[in-house]
Amino acid sequence: KNEVEQSPQNLTAQEGEFITINCSYSVGISALHWLQQHPGGGIVSLFMLSSGKKKHGRLIATINIQEKHSSLHITASHPRDSAVYICAVSSMDSNYQLIWGAGTKLIIKP
Amino acid sequence: GAGVSQSPSNKVTEKGKDVELRCDPISGHTALYWYRQRLGQGLEFLIYFQGNSAPDKSGLPSDRFSAERTGESVSTLTIQRTQQEDSAVYLCASSLQLYNEQFFGPGTRLTVL
Repeated sequence: KNEVEQSPQNLTAQEGEFITINCSYSVGISALHWLQQHPGGGIVSLFMLSSGKKKHGRLIATINIQEKHSSLHITASHPRDSAVYICAVSSMDSNYQLIWGAGTKLIIKP
Repeated sequence: GAGVSQSPSNKVTEKGKDVELRCDPISGHTALYWYRQRLGQGLEFLIYFQGNSAPDKSGLPSDRFSAERTGESVSTLTIQRTQQEDSAVYLCASSLQLYNEQFFGPGTRLTVL
């Protein structure tokens, strides 16, 4: 079993839909990261959080430490949101090294 | 302010040649990380630097791989006697300190023919 699991693996939705991507982890963490990777390969850090909720524009990230679960939400989705969304955790055991989820490939159709 | 930059953006080389990849972190960031991403796969940690501490080389896949960092500035990743399986995107990231948010560079796409 992977230490970080994401669901779904693939998601196709229509423009305007509310998107939810889930991440579950099995290790103790110091922080959880959500990153976005566009088809060209570039990676952008979206959020780093260790508790509660963060919001940036149309993106919202939540984390439940007790349940070891995080969600990334996209409101009013747009085709430019199409990308791979990656969840990664900083484990208390691995120090600085990030443990990566497999990613969720999101396609937003116009 | 400038983000993390990497050069070259693309590198095509012949098997057996040496290559050097460069990363310029965000100014003031003490931690610097190298990752590799093979086609269709996730990110693989290679090495990290934190300040003047000895780097953690535990992720380097073989002794053909080495990396250096000058103080808290530029880092170079060197791959000697390249093999076809070295073909990947090599990503560099930096953070203010350990445990802080990592900011990624655009990557160097290496193709070994």
